[in-house]
Amino acid sequence: QQQVKQSPQSLIVQKGGISIINCAYENTAFDYFPWYQQFPGKGPALLIAIRPDVSEKKEGRFTISFNKSAKQFSLHIMDSQPGDSATYFCAARGADRGSTLGRLYFGRGTQLTVWP
Amino acid sequence: NAGVTQTPKFQVLKTGQSMTLQCAQDMNHEYMSWYRQDPGMGLRLIHYSVGAGITDQGEVPNGYNVSRSTTEDFPLRLLSAAPSQTSVYFCASRRARRSYEQYFGPGTRLTVT
Repeated sequence: QQQVKQSPQSLIVQKGGISIINCAYENTAFDYFPWYQQFPGKGPALLIAIRPDVSEKKEGRFTISFNKSAKQFSLHIMDSQPGDSATYFCAARGADRGSTLGRLYFGRGTQLTVWP
Repeated sequence: NAGVTQTPKFQVLKTGQSMTLQCAQDMNHEYMSWYRQDPGMGLRLIHYSVGAGITDQGEVPNGYNVSRSTTEDFPLRLLSAAPSQTSVYFCASRRARRSYEQYFGPGTRLTVT
């Protein structure tokens, strides 16, 4: 059972536009929601993250919006640039004691292409 | 710091062969893990370790073994390679189980024919 569902699978945005990627989760026992960015041929790298007691977090052009009651969170990239073209993964970290504590559950990824 | 390093970068195996993917980190991180990445499937956890001498299974452990004899190293062994194990493998580490930032290695692209 997929714990974190991510959409869309791919996204094409014009330079200067807003890119929006959505994620939804099933389990309420998550305590941290990071987003990772992956360029071709590289490993993923942490982009931005949010805790469930916060509704929004902004770092430069990247913003996470978090809706705890709907169990949804999204990544917004303002003024999208060709250099933002990458695969983006949302994730949720397990908070239950036991083997799932600290485990990261990843969405399936969104391939973003920003046209110049 | 080199961060998380993985070798080899590319590997081709024949069905039934065994091999070990190497992973090392120089950040003194307790928590290390192995993921596989397949198109449209995201990152799936194979095995993880919360410290030297302690390992546990993730979502897709079948066909893989791990050990953690030192804090730095976390090798992944393929016992008898199958075409279904063709994938890109990433090793990752973080300071502790409840730490926020996880660091990924550059990956190993494995093809099993």
